[in-house]
Amino acid sequence: DVKVTQSSRYLVKRTGEKVFLECVQDMDHENMFWYRQDPGLGLRLIYFSYDVKMKEKGDIPEGYSVSREKKERFSLILESASTNQTSMYLCASSLDNPKNIQYFGAGTRLSVL
Amino acid sequence: GQNIDQPTEMTATEGAIVQINCTYQTSGFNGLFWYQQHAGEAPTFLSYNVLDGLEEKGRFSSFLSRSKGYSYLLLKELQMKDSASYLCAVSGTYKYIFGTGTRLKVLA
Repeated sequence: DVKVTQSSRYLVKRTGEKVFLECVQDMDHENMFWYRQDPGLGLRLIYFSYDVKMKEKGDIPEGYSVSREKKERFSLILESASTNQTSMYLCASSLDNPKNIQYFGAGTRLSVL
Repeated sequence: GQNIDQPTEMTATEGAIVQINCTYQTSGFNGLFWYQQHAGEAPTFLSYNVLDGLEEKGRFSSFLSRSKGYSYLLLKELQMKDSASYLCAVSGTYKYIFGTGTRLKVLA
């Protein structure tokens, strides 16, 4: 079974803090993704990566950055957390093939106070 | 523009059949996916359609018409555990575009 592990289920941070969300997958997937999920807005793509050290902006990259130094690990960084970044953050990974099923981690619920 | 539409909420009775519709307008198409997401949990893969027609997998079936930009997910013999959100997503080269999800409530 594919396993995508996110480092924390719940996080509480203060405005202005630097926040790191970590994601690790164990199936040698080429592609990794970070989404946020908000009520009424669905899943929105923040960044994705199709290879080590490669990254592409998604639909809402502002206020975020990412790092992929190893194939299995994809980190999302909030340089200076703001209250409007309070959300559920989901990491996913997929193989690089046409039927690119995405497998999701359990999510990190981040609250920025 | 790119857009995926699905109903916000549906209610059905245990043992019944329910059909969740999804319409889409996207610039690229490599396939249409349905995911199930229980409250507080990660989305899990249910089905994949890339050609027109019906794909059946146990109690769940998914249909695609590419010319109409239309798909549906059919759930038969509903069970209480089917209460969840169902997400429709269209795949491009790497990325998915997700609909906002349909919250299905199954009543006893």
